[in-house]
Amino acid sequence: SQTIHQWPATLVQPVGSPLSLECTVEGTSNPNLYWYRQAAGRGLQLLFYSVGIGQISSEVPQNLSASRPQDRQFILSSKKLLLSDSGFYLCAWTSDHNEQFFGPGTRLTVL
Amino acid sequence: SQQGEEDPQALSIQEGENATMNCSYKTSINNLQWYRQNSGRGLVHLILIRSNEREKHSGRLRVTLDTSKKSSSLLITASRAADTASYFCAKEPLSGTYKYIFGTGTRLKVLA
Repeated sequence: SQTIHQWPATLVQPVGSPLSLECTVEGTSNPNLYWYRQAAGRGLQLLFYSVGIGQISSEVPQNLSASRPQDRQFILSSKKLLLSDSGFYLCAWTSDHNEQFFGPGTRLTVL
Repeated sequence: SQQGEEDPQALSIQEGENATMNCSYKTSINNLQWYRQNSGRGLVHLILIRSNEREKHSGRLRVTLDTSKKSSSLLITASRAADTASYFCAKEPLSGTYKYIFGTGTRLKVLA
C-alpha cells in the first residue's frame, strides 16, 4: 500500500534562517506531488505541484521553492524565512484515480 | 473570489444527529473530493465523486453532486463525538491542470 511521509513534524526557526522540508512517497511510481500551506483555521493554499522529476509548477510567488530530485521525493525550501511563512505545510500525492492523499504535515513556526 | 466554499462555516450538533455540509463551486469540474481534518493533523481522504456521478456512499457518509447547481453535499448520519473535525471539499477543475482547489472548510462539533 502507499504511504506518504513528511519530516520534521514540527519546526521552530528564526527569521532569516533557511528551510528544508522533505516529503517522500512509498508504494507508487511517478505520482503527481503537491505542497500546500494551511494558515491557522483556514483552508489549504496550493504552493507547488510536480508531475515528474525536475518538473515544478509554482502557484504563488513567494520566497519558497520546491524541488523533485527523485521520483518519490519532494522538497520545500527557503533561503531566508519570513514571519509570514509560519503555518502548517502539507505534502500530497494523487493516485491514478485522481484521489489525493496527504501526509501528516509539518508545523512551522518562524520567530 | 474563491473557487467554491463550504457552508456552514461551523456546525454544532448532538451525538446521534445527522450532519450536512455543503460545498459550492463556480466552474466545471472533473471531480470533487471530501476530506476530514482533526485539529493539528493531516487531511484524511473520505470520498471522491466524479462529475458523471450523482451520489456515493461510504459507511455513514453520503456524498451527492449536483452539477447543474455546481454544488455537493456531505451527509454524516448518526454522528459520533469522534466525527468532530473540520471537513473540506476539493475541486479538480475541468481544465485538467492537476490542481485541486480547497474551500475554507466546515468545523463540525459533535456533542456527547
